[in-house]
Amino acid sequence: AQSVTQLDSQVPVFEEAPVELRCNYSSSVSVYLFWYVQYPNQGLQLLLKYLSGSTLVKGINGFEAEFNKSQTSFHLRKPSVHISDTAEYFCAVSGVQAGTALIFGKGTTLSVSS
Amino acid sequence: DTAVSQTPKYLVTQMGNDKSIKCEQNLGHDTMYWYKQDSKKFLKIMFSYNNKELIINETVPNRFSPKSPDKAHLNLHINSLELGDSAVYFCASSLQRTPLHFGNGTRLTVT
Repeated sequence: AQSVTQLDSQVPVFEEAPVELRCNYSSSVSVYLFWYVQYPNQGLQLLLKYLSGSTLVKGINGFEAEFNKSQTSFHLRKPSVHISDTAEYFCAVSGVQAGTALIFGKGTTLSVSS
Repeated sequence: DTAVSQTPKYLVTQMGNDKSIKCEQNLGHDTMYWYKQDSKKFLKIMFSYNNKELIINETVPNRFSPKSPDKAHLNLHINSLELGDSAVYFCASSLQRTPLHFGNGTRLTVT
C-alpha cells in the first residue's frame, strides 16, 4: 500500500515570491507521482506527473517538481507565484501495477497575497 | 464538450432518503472512479471500475452501491442517507495508467 504526507497544511506567500510545497510518500513498490490543483468549488486539475525518466518534471502554470527516490519526496516548486495560484494543492501516489488506487495527501492550501 | 460530467452539482436531502449521483465521461477511458472529499478536503477513493468490472472497493458502508452500465458511465446510489455522508463526491476516469480526469463534483448535504 502507498501513503502520502504533505508536510504543510497552509503556505502563505507574497506575490512574485518563490514557493515550495512539500510532499513525501511511502511505498514498497515502484510508484507514479502526481500533483493536482483544486480551485474553489471546482474539480481537480492535473498540474504535473512523474511516471518515469527525468526526475525533474515540468507542469502547467510554471510549476515543476523533482522526484527524489532516496528521500521518497516529490516537492512542488514555482519560482514566482501569482495571486491566481491561490488554491488547494494535492500530492498523489499510485503503484505502477494496473488496478492500484490513486492515494491523495491531505492537501496544502497556498494563499498568495499582494 | 465536458470530459467528465456529474449530475447533479448540488444535492440537498434529508436523513433516511435514497439518492443517486450520475457520472459520464466522453474521453474513451476504460476506468472510472468515485472519490469522497470530506469537510477537511481529504480525498478518499471509494470505488473503481475497469470495463464495467469492480476492481477497487474500499471500506465503504454497504449503503453505497456503484453501478456501471457501460464503460462511459459510473453511477453512485446511496441508501438511507446519514448526516456523515455530507461531502463532495468526485467522479474521475482514466485510460490504463494515464492520470485521472476529474469531474467538477457533486456537493451532497444531508439534513
